[in-house]
Amino acid sequence: EAGVTQFPSHSVIEKGQTVTLRCDPISGHDNLYWYRRVMGKEIKFLLHFVKESKQDESGMPNNRFLAERTGGTYSTLKVQPAELEDSGVYFCASSQDYTGELFFGEGSRLTVL
Amino acid sequence: AQSVAQPEDQVNVAEGNPLTVKCTYSVSGNPYLFWYVQYPNRGLQFLLKYITGDNLVKGSYGFEAEFNKSQTSFHLKKPSALVSDSALYFCAVRDMWADSWGKFQFGAGTQVVVTP
Repeated sequence: EAGVTQFPSHSVIEKGQTVTLRCDPISGHDNLYWYRRVMGKEIKFLLHFVKESKQDESGMPNNRFLAERTGGTYSTLKVQPAELEDSGVYFCASSQDYTGELFFGEGSRLTVL
Repeated sequence: AQSVAQPEDQVNVAEGNPLTVKCTYSVSGNPYLFWYVQYPNRGLQFLLKYITGDNLVKGSYGFEAEFNKSQTSFHLKKPSALVSDSALYFCAVRDMWADSWGKFQFGAGTQVVVTP
């Protein structure tokens, strides 16, 4: 069974540019989450999808971040325009139910210069 | 509000010795507590969780954790560490009243280094 896959693994962009991160959850997992780890600090919750609907987006830092999950399958997280403080590792996770175990991808490292 | 503290950035232990990774938490209601591990160039992997019941929880790879409500702690332990246990360990908490099941609060992580 394929795990959670994220693309790209590493992206380097300049301030003001746009980046789109993609996450493919485990097939059949209705729940999809985005998290972010900045500067080696805590991993912080960004948002939660249930199928194609946003269940909770309270962790999204500002309106430069846009997450979508069309069709309830893969998800994208777009940062536009990127700022220096957006640098970090963006993790995607999925789960089938609410037992607490999240399955994480390897993360997408974003570097904004 | 929920928060997690992992007071040690790094824990060094010799192979065969006991390993402890500390975690304390703060939530407004009853906590749901988790440990995840991240090996180099890999995603986070679930180790164990405490939801309710027995305070001593056993998980993957010989790890266990003890829920201590009075001390608001959930320390991760392994009786005999292996070099392959070297990794980054994250403690996470979720308030039972959180709006979203997956809205965990993670700690900053503790790097475990096990030397031969």
